[in-house]
Amino acid sequence: DAKTTQPPSMDCAEGRAANLPCNHSTISGNEYVYWYRQIHSQGPQYIIHGLKNNETNEMASLIITEDRKSSTLILPHATLRDTAVYYCPPGRGKYIFGTGTRLKVLA
Amino acid sequence: GAGVSQSPSNKVTEKGKDVELRCDPISGHTALYWYRQSLGQGLEFLIYFQGNSAPDKSGLPSDRFSAERTGGSVSTLTIQRTQQEDSAVYLCASSSDTGAGNTIYFGEGSWLTVV
Repeated sequence: DAKTTQPPSMDCAEGRAANLPCNHSTISGNEYVYWYRQIHSQGPQYIIHGLKNNETNEMASLIITEDRKSSTLILPHATLRDTAVYYCPPGRGKYIFGTGTRLKVLA
Repeated sequence: GAGVSQSPSNKVTEKGKDVELRCDPISGHTALYWYRQSLGQGLEFLIYFQGNSAPDKSGLPSDRFSAERTGGSVSTLTIQRTQQEDSAVYLCASSSDTGAGNTIYFGEGSWLTVV
């Protein structure tokens, strides 16, 4: 199964950009990169996805390296409500979420 | 429905009893997933259904766990002879699974406490 690697935790000051990395070196050529986040123990919520090009939506930006082996999720102006666990599950079919990155936004 | 619906939202059961957890996916979604999350832990994959294909059961932790999906829609996760370590939130998700990429939508989970 494809695997991803994420740092277990990060802190970010409120109002600053939060940059969350994900290593997905085993990703296949036609697999999308997806990001989700989970607040407390609610079901994870979709944030953004991309294949090769960088993407931006109202929540975040996604930067994918040219070789597609890693990506960075950017929350441009983090707020306290962005405190959550962020996941970048690999692959297609069954999605293995792992433990993600626990982002804490500090006031 | 508008989203993935799970029931019950909370269940307290005695050790050794069987429990059934139900998931009603988003209408038209062909893929359905079950995950388990123990307190403070990450999401643990349990089982994946895709259309009429045989389910991927590779994440089921023991033979006490089973799941079925009837008519390609509603799914039931059954835990037999529950143990205290089964206490967790059980999350169901569905997607349209169009191939290389698809967004997964989660329900709010079923909280199971085994006493």
